Amino acid sequence: TQLLEQSPQFLSIQEGENLTVYCNSSSVFSSLQWYRQEPGEGPVLLVTVVTGGEVKKLKRLTFQFGDARKDSSLHITAAQPGDTGLYLCAATSNTGKLIFGQGTTLQVKP
Amino acid sequence: DTAVSQTPKYLVTQMGNDKSIKCEQNLGHDTMYWYKQDSKKFLKIMFSYNNKELIINETVPNRFSPKSPDKAHLNLHINSLELGDSAVYFCASSQPGTVSGNTIYFGEGSWLTVV
Repeated sequence: TQLLEQSPQFLSIQEGENLTVYCNSSSVFSSLQWYRQEPGEGPVLLVTVVTGGEVKKLKRLTFQFGDARKDSSLHITAAQPGDTGLYLCAATSNTGKLIFGQGTTLQVKP
Repeated sequence: DTAVSQTPKYLVTQMGNDKSIKCEQNLGHDTMYWYKQDSKKFLKIMFSYNNKELIINETVPNRFSPKSPDKAHLNLHINSLELGDSAVYFCASSQPGTVSGNTIYFGEGSWLTVV
């Protein structure tokens, strides 16, 4: 069974701090996605990474795909209260299903 | 316009009842899904339909029956509701074979509470 393990599961920080969320697997994936889910809403795609070693930036968010395409990280610089939410990594399994990590709940306090 | 819309958003019902959740997408996608998110926020696929045909059916009790009258609609009917069915159910869609084919567009979720 292919699994995606996210860490940490919970993170509570002050506004302005930096943070990194990790998504790890023992499996190789052709691509990996990060979603953000705000309270009361469905997950929304932030980014898709497809090449080993790829780095993508979305304003203060930096996403990296591991060289071996087994892991990924999401780094947020100078976190804002608006960054609060559940961050989910996801990847397409070898059976064609999109599987999700268990999520990282981020709380950014003003 | 909401791309993937599902109703109702909140549903509180008693054990043993039968309930349905409806979903519609206006994105023109061929593939639709039902996901279940439990109290620990874990998101797991239940069903996937492609052009009205069932293509993924995870290990879900047969009390759960999806129905797709056309490719823009995927409804979920649940019989004999149990306490453990309490969760958030997300409808979603995607368009395989395109540049954004792996992108899943989610609805806002249906919060089901069984009492």
